Amino acid sequence: GDSVTQMEGPVTLSEEAFLTINCTYTATGYPSLFWYVQYPGEGLQLLLKATKADDKGSNKGFEATYRKETTSFHLEKGSVQVSDSAVYFCALRDTGRRALTFGSGTRLQVQP
Amino acid sequence: GAVVSQHPSRVICKSGTSVKIECRSLDFQATTMFWYRQFPKQSLMLMATSNEGSKATYEQGVEKDKFLINHASLTLSTLTVTSAHPEDSSFYICSAGSGLAGALGEETQYFGPGTRLLVL
Repeated sequence: GDSVTQMEGPVTLSEEAFLTINCTYTATGYPSLFWYVQYPGEGLQLLLKATKADDKGSNKGFEATYRKETTSFHLEKGSVQVSDSAVYFCALRDTGRRALTFGSGTRLQVQP
Repeated sequence: GAVVSQHPSRVICKSGTSVKIECRSLDFQATTMFWYRQFPKQSLMLMATSNEGSKATYEQGVEKDKFLINHASLTLSTLTVTSAHPEDSSFYICSAGSGLAGALGEETQYFGPGTRLLVL
């Protein structure tokens, strides 16, 4: 079956540091890949997505590239801010399915 | 963007009672809603897919008689945990799909803020 594995947190960084959150997946078809962010007290929000191999999703300074050869979709940001503190979820939607398969989430804490 | 609400945000109940959780799409119609369950420090696990006007489709291992889902309108789905027990304590999250027919890869799901259930 489908699965998503992402690095455990919490990840604690200083402001303006470089961020990488690793995500790898297994899927039976040709999945679309997503990163969702959950700010405290709020619902999950779509951060970025990629629908095919070598696509790069980007939003708000965050980027992730769909790497089929390594089955990965790592999230990166060059300079994090305190306001980026949240829980980040990697997810996939496999071919023919509408529901998402999620990773366990990674909490990011950015200190001033 | 589109907003999905859940009510209540937190509920505490006694063992053996039933609890109803509402999921509403506030500014769009959702033909399909999804119910997820999240245990501490674990992934969101899909419980069931709820389609307006028809029976929900449950994932393997989810008891349909225990977790009753009703999707009576295009903006409301409810999850009722019947005869709740302490092991049902969890964080329940719903999402609503925009439902772009024939473009599954482009559909965006909008998530509610979740409902924390504690069964004593």
